[in-house]
Amino acid sequence: NAGVMQNPRHLVRRRGQEARLRCSPMKGHSHVYWYRQLPEEGLKFMVYLQKENIIDESGMPKERFSAEFPKEGPSILRIQQVVRGDSAAYFCASSPIPMTGSSYNEQFFGPGTRLTVL
Amino acid sequence: KQEVTQIPAALSVPEGENLVLNCSFTDSAIYNLQWFRQDPGKGLTSLLLIQSSQREQTSGRLNASLDKSSGRSTLYIAASQPGDSATYLCAVRQQGGSEKLVFGKGTKLTVNP
Repeated sequence: NAGVMQNPRHLVRRRGQEARLRCSPMKGHSHVYWYRQLPEEGLKFMVYLQKENIIDESGMPKERFSAEFPKEGPSILRIQQVVRGDSAAYFCASSPIPMTGSSYNEQFFGPGTRLTVL
Repeated sequence: KQEVTQIPAALSVPEGENLVLNCSFTDSAIYNLQWFRQDPGKGLTSLLLIQSSQREQTSGRLNASLDKSSGRSTLYIAASQPGDSATYLCAVRQQGGSEKLVFGKGTKLTVNP
């Protein structure tokens, strides 16, 4: 039973290029979350998606960043025209559909994608 | 706005020592609090999750406590080992509909043999 998978694990881009980060949730999980960890900082929430829906994107930068979680296939975090300040570790987490009346919804994290912008 | 603070930022101890890591949060309206371990260049491993109605959780040499009213949690590690060296992150899940976790910056622990 594989855990959350992210690829690539390391990604190098030059300024102005596009970065695409992929996340495959755990089997049976339909909720995906993206977090960013800047150097020497804690993880910051970016976006929360369910299949074909963006539920909460309050942590996403207003420009250049987008995320999707299609009916089939992995979730994609896309960064257009990358800048050096985008260099960070990007983590994906997934969770199952919570039980009715339950507030318990543990998130399971992937190994992350480390983006370096030259 | 929820803020999570972890003290100390770094801690170095000799092997075998018992130690306590601290986490505080400003808004007590949380569903749960979770402690994670992060090794250099790696992802997050969940250690303990405490529901808001619980006071503590234990797993092996780890014990986490939660005092929701005062906005504090501690992670107690007994008989520390060099393999415990890692960064320990505390995160809270806020009440109010959002599923997001709010993280502290972590405590970097080094256990010296």
